[in-house]
Amino acid sequence: EPEVTQTPSHQVTQMGQEVILRCVPISNHLYFYWYRQILGQKVEFLVSFYNNEISEKSEIFDDQFSVERPDGSNFTLKIRSTKLEDSAMYFCASSEIGLAGGQTDTQYFGPGTRLTVL
Amino acid sequence: LARTTQPISMDSYEGQEVNITCSHNNIATNDYITWYQQFPSQGPRFIIQGYKTKVTNEVASLFIPADRKSSTLSLPRVSLSDTAVYYCLVGPTSGTYKYIFGTGTRLKVLA
Repeated sequence: EPEVTQTPSHQVTQMGQEVILRCVPISNHLYFYWYRQILGQKVEFLVSFYNNEISEKSEIFDDQFSVERPDGSNFTLKIRSTKLEDSAMYFCASSEIGLAGGQTDTQYFGPGTRLTVL
Repeated sequence: LARTTQPISMDSYEGQEVNITCSHNNIATNDYITWYQQFPSQGPRFIIQGYKTKVTNEVASLFIPADRKSSTLSLPRVSLSDTAVYYCLVGPTSGTYKYIFGTGTRLKVLA
């Protein structure tokens, strides 16, 4: 069964450093997402991406965050200058047709990257 | 986006059937109901999705009444490995691409 993969599984960084979290979505999927989950809290939406541009972003996704699809397989989340409060599990997800009025779809999540900011 | 309400936690014993009910009173006409399972330190895993009536797959059943204001996830004969958090999500609505996760239901299966 196809699955979303993420690397690294665990990333430790110093406050102020840049990190890039990587995801390989399911190959025929066109919509990509990043979510995060702070320990013990809800899964929170960060951003959705389609056709090489951001479709929607949350208030969490400020100027310190960026996403990119550098090639035909990878989808990355960059945090330019990490803060202590960025420590969380980051989940990538992908879907085939996206969520839009009149349609339905399923988002498939990766195993996550645990980001620890010291 | 339609809000959902689920019990915070449930306990069950191995071999029992578990039913988790989710309330979504303001579900929109185009919304589907989707359930995910999440183990600690893992990504949410899709379980089942439906629009109305009953849907069954190899792991669960989903019951949706005619008014669609609630839904019930049924897990037959649970095992210890079914201990997890279960999320009920409703969507989409026009123009939005995000899932809104609630706190979910923490199911604990006891031996």
